[in-house]
Amino acid sequence: DTGVSQDPRHKITKRGQNVTFRCDPISEHNRLYWYRQTLGQGPEFLTYFQNEAQLEKSRLLSDRFSAERPKGSFSTLEIQRTEQGDSAMYLCASSPVTGTGQDTQYFGPGTRLTVL
Amino acid sequence: GESVGLHLPTLSVQEGDNSIINCAYSNSASDYFIWYKQESGKGPQFIIDIRSNMDKRQGQRVTVLLNKTVKHLSLQIAATQPGDSAVYFCAENLYNFNKFYFGSGTKLNVKP
Repeated sequence: DTGVSQDPRHKITKRGQNVTFRCDPISEHNRLYWYRQTLGQGPEFLTYFQNEAQLEKSRLLSDRFSAERPKGSFSTLEIQRTEQGDSAMYLCASSPVTGTGQDTQYFGPGTRLTVL
Repeated sequence: GESVGLHLPTLSVQEGDNSIINCAYSNSASDYFIWYKQESGKGPQFIIDIRSNMDKRQGQRVTVLLNKTVKHLSLQIAATQPGDSAVYFCAENLYNFNKFYFGSGTKLNVKP
């Protein structure tokens, strides 16, 4: 399967613990995005990378959240001191850079986080 | 971000009928739109896209219509099948902003 992959698919943690998620984008895609989705809602943008550079972060991304893409390939999203409000599906997407400003984003299966 | 809304949260159709899912967007500067299908427990799956210089685009059993005058987008699914049951999202993108704004989705139920 050459699509976007995410690991783990499910994570249950206790409040206050740290968690880290991984995303592997489609191999030739330069851009990688993180979104968060709560039940019954559409995905909300968190941050994106072009190669290894993090170019934008949403106000939703509090200081407890950090994302990296050290070699411009896979990315990690870490949440420190998790809170129950962090419970959500964390989605990763990737896209090529076509130069048109209209780049299709392809999503992974997501990581479902439950904070007890 | 700008809001992207859907008129109907739930749509029930009979198998074999055509389905129409509607979406309103508020930012006239949005120039690229995608319809995604999301099945339970899975990530959004690309269905079809349309750019703002087009009014209509057709895919396999799906058609997207864009009316920029009233900022309205629709997804038509022909001969709806049980496998089409899912939540459908429209997403809008502002040129060079590199992120999509999603609405809350419409759930499509296909009755056999």
